[in-house]
Amino acid sequence: QVQLQESGPGLVKPSQTLSLSCTVSGASIISSSHYWNWIRQPAGKGLEWIGRIYTSGSTKYNPFLKNRVTISVDTSKNQFSLKLTSVTAADTAIYYCARVPTSGRLGFDYWGLGTPVAVSS
Amino acid sequence: QSVLTQPPSVSGAPGQTVTISCTGTSSNIGADYDVHWYQQLPGSAPKLLIFGNSYRPSGVPDRFSGSKSGTSASLAITGLQPEDEADYYCQSFDSSLGGLYVFGTGTKVTVL
Repeated sequence: QVQLQESGPGLVKPSQTLSLSCTVSGASIISSSHYWNWIRQPAGKGLEWIGRIYTSGSTKYNPFLKNRVTISVDTSKNQFSLKLTSVTAADTAIYYCARVPTSGRLGFDYWGLGTPVAVSS
Repeated sequence: QSVLTQPPSVSGAPGQTVTISCTGTSSNIGADYDVHWYQQLPGSAPKLLIFGNSYRPSGVPDRFSGSKSGTSASLAITGLQPEDEADYYCQSFDSSLGGLYVFGTGTKVTVL
């Protein structure tokens, strides 16, 4: 079955860059039918979509984060990655990767377990 | 920045029916974008509960149902069970600001 797994440092210093990866198994990231996404959730708060990437490398980002976010894909590793620059305490959250079909009618159907990231000196 | 509004909490006794509303605007739900619902159990990742406004993925009990009208959507849980105690989020697409996926503010369901 489809599985997504996030990985990366759990602690990042303020003003530095947060880097996470999502490894996909049970599905090919070069699928033409899906977008691959990053979503985050601060402790005790709601979900915030960060951005998505398509197998071609085409991206779309949350306009509220756009200047700080880069999502890239490594098809050889069946993996996609997130970089968030100039982090502050407000970026402390659980970060999830998730898949969504390109049709737009099916929702985020598979999620990773999430990885907590704290921004602190 | 949640642009879909949900009640912070709802509660009900086992066997009762609870309904969660999700209110949007003309740039998301009202623009005919589909609404999806997620269940998040404590300490877990969200799980897709309803897609395309009213369809259940395989394995989701039929006591969960969704509907949409105008700029709002609703999730109903009939025959509430103790294991339904969780946070629930609606989600759609918003065409403003270049387009982005948006989530609701979230609703905590408590089984009394």
